[in-house]
Amino acid sequence: AQSVTQLGSHVSVSEGALVLLRCNYSSSVPPYLFWYVQYPNQGLQLLLKYTSAATLVKGINGFEAEFKKSETSFHLTKPSAHMSDAAEYFCAVTRTGNQFYFGTGTSLTVIP
Amino acid sequence: DAGVIQSPRHEVTEMGQEVTLRCKPISGHNSLFWYRQTMMRGLELLIYFNNNVPIDDSGMPEDRFSAKMPNASFSTLKIQPSEPRDSAVYFCASKFLLGHTEAFFGQGTRLTVV
Repeated sequence: AQSVTQLGSHVSVSEGALVLLRCNYSSSVPPYLFWYVQYPNQGLQLLLKYTSAATLVKGINGFEAEFKKSETSFHLTKPSAHMSDAAEYFCAVTRTGNQFYFGTGTSLTVIP
Repeated sequence: DAGVIQSPRHEVTEMGQEVTLRCKPISGHNSLFWYRQTMMRGLELLIYFNNNVPIDDSGMPEDRFSAKMPNASFSTLKIQPSEPRDSAVYFCASKFLLGHTEAFFGQGTRLTVV
């Protein structure tokens, strides 16, 4: 079975501070992992993806994530938060490329 | 490409009425997904198609829900009869079937059943 767990449904950071959003996966075979962002009243937009190449993946808007097999984690980070980063973030896993299993989401608030 | 196009963006209907949501996937994509998003249950996969064929509809909540994909450029999700608990945002997404590529999402249809 495949699934992802996002720890912390709400995260608040100050503008300019480090953003860390946590995602742990469970998969019986090497997974393919994705981070999506959802702005209010919008669909999901891909931030970055891990597909078994480099373990450190860089995405759009300064975000990056590191695949750590030993920790079954794929945490999302950004060195310096911007007000425009306030959104809902979803981690997703797939093995086959067909069925995506999404986490419950983490709402990021950026405090001025 | 204009991306995945869903219509309508908003739908308000009375309980018992039939509702049809529409989706046009990105040209060339041959996998299509329907998701439902609610505060309580998050993102749920309802059904997905490969090459216009339904592959897994185990996420469809009840027989009141049905989905079709008559051709590669169009899909519908129908609810008949609708109930207040069907109120949610419904997303359509598409991707290339082969490879572990990402899915592209539409803007969603916000359904309110009163």
